[in-house]
Amino acid sequence: LAKTTQPISMDSYEGQEVNITCSHNNIATNDYITWYQQFPSQGPRFIIQGYKTKVTNEVASLFIPADRKSSTLSLPRVSLSDTAVYYCLVGYTGRRALTFGSGTRLQVQP
Amino acid sequence: NAGVTQTPKFQVLKTGQSMTLQCAQDMNHEYMSWYRQDPGMGLRLIHYSVGAGITDQGEVPNGYNVSRSTTEDFPLRLLSAAPSQTSVYFCASLGDRGYGYTFGSGTRLTVV
Repeated sequence: LAKTTQPISMDSYEGQEVNITCSHNNIATNDYITWYQQFPSQGPRFIIQGYKTKVTNEVASLFIPADRKSSTLSLPRVSLSDTAVYYCLVGYTGRRALTFGSGTRLQVQP
Repeated sequence: NAGVTQTPKFQVLKTGQSMTLQCAQDMNHEYMSWYRQDPGMGLRLIHYSVGAGITDQGEVPNGYNVSRSTTEDFPLRLLSAAPSQTSVYFCASLGDRGYGYTFGSGTRLTVV
């Protein structure tokens, strides 16, 4: 199983760009990298997924270097509502279990 | 609405009791899984299934059983509840690549 390492917590201010990095040194060839957001008392919510280079959607960007041993979730111009825990998940379906890391608690201040 | 439905939302059990947490999805997803989340902690995988009739253990399977008789349903059984199983339980399903997991709203379980 590809294990992941993320910072435990981060602080930011409204309007700033936030970058959260996840390390996954033993990522396998078939593994994808997926990020989730979780608010208190709710299940995690899918944010973005990628395999290599850069992926962008309406809420975030995901940067993956060529060696794929890390990835960076970028949240542009965060607001108070972006305060949440962010999880990096590495894996693929089939017959492999998908596990979550410990997550990064992002606190956005006014 | 399409999604993952978990029941019950809240449950209090006495030590030694058994119960089943229900999970159903209507998206025809093959992959389903159960996680537990203790206060202030991340999610830990209990059991998962890659299709009807196929289940396997995750990180913390002890004290839990699962079965997958249909694509839609993936119940989690607590065999003999213990206070250490007090947690929030999330069921999730995974569809086509690129769209990630869909999580249920969770079951908050307290064992006294």
